[in-house]
Amino acid sequence: KAGVTQTPRYLIKTRGQQVTLSCSPISGHRSVSWYQQTPGQGLQFLFEYFSETQRNKGNFPGRFSGRQFSNSRSEMNVSTLELGDSALYLCASSLVGTAEETQYFGPGTRLLVL
Amino acid sequence: AQSVTQLGSHVSVSEGALVLLRCNYSSSVPPYLFWYVQYPNQGLQLLLKYTTGATLVKGINGFEAEFKKSETSFHLTKPSAHMSDAAEYFCAVTFTGGGNKLTFGTGTQLKVEL
Repeated sequence: KAGVTQTPRYLIKTRGQQVTLSCSPISGHRSVSWYQQTPGQGLQFLFEYFSETQRNKGNFPGRFSGRQFSNSRSEMNVSTLELGDSALYLCASSLVGTAEETQYFGPGTRLLVL
Repeated sequence: AQSVTQLGSHVSVSEGALVLLRCNYSSSVPPYLFWYVQYPNQGLQLLLKYTTGATLVKGINGFEAEFKKSETSFHLTKPSAHMSDAAEYFCAVTFTGGGNKLTFGTGTQLKVEL
């Protein structure tokens, strides 16, 4: 089975721009979660989608949004980029998103905001 | 709210020596605990997890961890370190009813020396 894939792997944007990141989960997985990883704040949960619905949300401003499509692929969008949004954005998938399930992580998208 | 504390942001061991990475958690309800490893420029890979049942959990690559409720700990060990174990290790927690929103520790960078 192919693993979780994320595109693009690297991105450079400037302040004020917006960006869209994509995540394709493992085949058959319906839950997709997004995490932000920075040296200062570590790994932080952004949100989780299941069956095209946001089911759980972390403590991030409204500039961070996401969606999930009927094939379980997910995108996250960050509008009005700030320097502090520079981070590695990780996507993880699991079958149905229960607490005890293993989440499988993709390689991440590294975003640099200049 | 749950939290995870990883003592020691950097740990250095000799090849063949015991690896011990510490993780303490705080949770008002029974936790589910995970250890993930991250190699440079890669996503997270699950080493092992505790949900219910046996408190000594064996994972991949010779790692194991023991859930100790009385000590609120979930330390990761490996009897004999290998050069390939050099990576960053993250402890994470969630709980029943919390979905798959993981709360991560700040990570421990493991260095293995000859």
